Amino acid sequence: EADIYQTPRYLVIGTGKKITLECSQTMGHDKMYWYQQDPGMELHLIHYSYGVNSTEKGDLSSESTVSRIRTEHFPLTLESARPSHTSQYLCASSDPGGESNYGYTFGSGTRLTVV
Amino acid sequence: GNSVTQMEGPVTLSEEAFLTINCTYTATGYPSLFWYVQYPGEGLQLLLKATKADDKGSNKGFEATYRKETTSFHLEKGSVQVSDSAVYFCALNYGGATNKLIFGTGTLLAVQP
Repeated sequence: EADIYQTPRYLVIGTGKKITLECSQTMGHDKMYWYQQDPGMELHLIHYSYGVNSTEKGDLSSESTVSRIRTEHFPLTLESARPSHTSQYLCASSDPGGESNYGYTFGSGTRLTVV
Repeated sequence: GNSVTQMEGPVTLSEEAFLTINCTYTATGYPSLFWYVQYPGEGLQLLLKATKADDKGSNKGFEATYRKETTSFHLEKGSVQVSDSAVYFCALNYGGATNKLIFGTGTLLAVQP
């Protein structure tokens, strides 16, 4: 059963709109991540966080921004959506040293379409 | 640098066929190794893992053995079902401060009845 939640599951929005993709986890994990998944399936890390007030850019440059004001919440924002932002966005969290043995727990994803 | 290489798909099999999806890695030291599965329209789920050499991870009939000598972590299943159709990702992780997972490119498996 998933303990990490993403909303909305699907979003179709017009060019130029500001959007926020929500991600929340109830496991108390310090580390959280955002991945962008292209149609070819490959996963690209775009943001990560070590904990509250800590955010870092990932391996793939992204026009999105993130914040981490609370441990459980890691929202991603696009100030002005463009068609090139159309993609699936996956949120994940991890608890190093716990039972996960450094694995991640993923949310169900948000499929964003910008028209 | 550290990397994961997966066999390219799509892999198309008939129901009850034997499955192998190859995964090799490049890394220093002793990473943990994972297989994740992504069903259509969903996020990734952890399928199995191995944290040290010669460990075998298993779940839902799938198995993979951590082979340090060949730097491999191939995924196998003796008899696939239509419900196994999904994308499979191999990944490695060192943990530590960043705890970043390094993913392979994914392999699409399609099982036909």
